[in-house]
Amino acid sequence: DGGITQSPKYLFRKEGQNVTLSCEQNLNHDAMYWYRQDPGQGLRLIYYSQIVNDFQKGDIAEGYSVSREKKESFPLTVTSAQKNPTAFYLCASSRADNANQPQHFGDGTRLSIL
Amino acid sequence: GQNIDQPTEMTATEGAIVQINCTYQTSGFNGLFWYQQHAGEAPTFLSYNVLDGLEEKGRFSSFLSRSKGYSYLLLKELQMKDSASYLCAGMILTGGGNKLTFGTGTQLKVEL
Repeated sequence: DGGITQSPKYLFRKEGQNVTLSCEQNLNHDAMYWYRQDPGQGLRLIYYSQIVNDFQKGDIAEGYSVSREKKESFPLTVTSAQKNPTAFYLCASSRADNANQPQHFGDGTRLSIL
Repeated sequence: GQNIDQPTEMTATEGAIVQINCTYQTSGFNGLFWYQQHAGEAPTFLSYNVLDGLEEKGRFSSFLSRSKGYSYLLLKELQMKDSASYLCAGMILTGGGNKLTFGTGTQLKVEL
């Protein structure tokens, strides 16, 4: 079945450690997105990519990095520079040919600090 | 800047109708999306409005007024499973592509 797969579902990080969250989609979507969700807050955009080998900073990109080497994959690295990384991270994808295309979300990764 | 406002929480009765409002102030606005999110799960797409007016999809309808910067989601014949957070999101056109700006979500509780 077509969809978006995020892994792992739960992730623990030690202080000062970088971690990478995986996001893979087989929907043939050009656009991919990473969001962070904190309790009582809406989704905040970290990075987005409309095409392979190109990506843009979202509203809260500091302390994060991404790559888009393949259409299907958009991994997010949470670096040690991100001082408050504990959150629910959601990856999404959409067609990029028309602005009215909805974003489809993966099941998310919960990141916690040990 | 981008600003999306919606009520934090609402309570309604099973079988009733509830309207969740959303107001927005965004530059480069190009449409409004509604998503449903159950606790601990991913958001799922409900509806999209780009032109003024009402879009109906079964028990769910969404309305947009671009001149007023206002939208609402209408849920009819409420069921217990409709208890969830409802997210309003504005589509913004940027040089780098399209992106969504989300409100904080409205937590709906459906009671017997």
